[in-house]
Amino acid sequence: EDQVTQSPEALRLQEGESSSLNCSYTVSGLRGLFWYRQDPGKGPEFLFTLYSAGEEKEKERLKATLTKKESFLHITAPKPEDSATYLCALRGGATNKLIFGTGTLLAVQP
Amino acid sequence: GAVVSQHPSRVICKSGTSVKIECRSLDFQATTMFWYRQFPKQSLMLMATSNEGSKATYEQGVEKDKFLINHASLTLSTLTVTSAHPEDSSFYICSAFLPGLAGGLSSDTQYFGPGTRLTVL
Repeated sequence: EDQVTQSPEALRLQEGESSSLNCSYTVSGLRGLFWYRQDPGKGPEFLFTLYSAGEEKEKERLKATLTKKESFLHITAPKPEDSATYLCALRGGATNKLIFGTGTLLAVQP
Repeated sequence: GAVVSQHPSRVICKSGTSVKIECRSLDFQATTMFWYRQFPKQSLMLMATSNEGSKATYEQGVEKDKFLINHASLTLSTLTVTSAHPEDSSFYICSAFLPGLAGGLSSDTQYFGPGTRLTVL
């Protein structure tokens, strides 16, 4: 069964304190590992799609990496506006549906 | 990025009534759309996959007669919650799948709408 596990559940950082969020997965045939940001009361905002081990993508202070078992979302020198829930999702099998992890709630304090 | 809209953003209704939620892809055609629900402090749970011109595919445990899905065009999918009850109160979010090659993007993307907050009294 395809599964996604995110850790930690919550993370509190000081502004400028870099860290990483983890997404562990098991899948029979990976067809995409997705990262989203979700603000309270809003729909998820697309960040990245990764397909194969070794792939990396960057956007501003965020960098996503992928191995055969995990994906990391690295946040460099975060700012308070980076505070949100970060969701990892998996696409496997023959359909395009996404299986979501439970998310990491990130709080960046000034 | 591509835009997906939902209407209404918030709805309050009485128990026993039906509520329709619309999901539109504004600048691309989506043959496949998805409907999720999200309870407070929980992640997104897929309810069903909506395919243009055919019947929706429901996830295990989701009542298809209660959550009616119609995908009548390449830019519109609707979710109707029939005979709503307080336990149906939730945040409903739709998404549209955009293949990388078809959309001119370097990778497949799934864009989400802003969500609809349903409260059943």
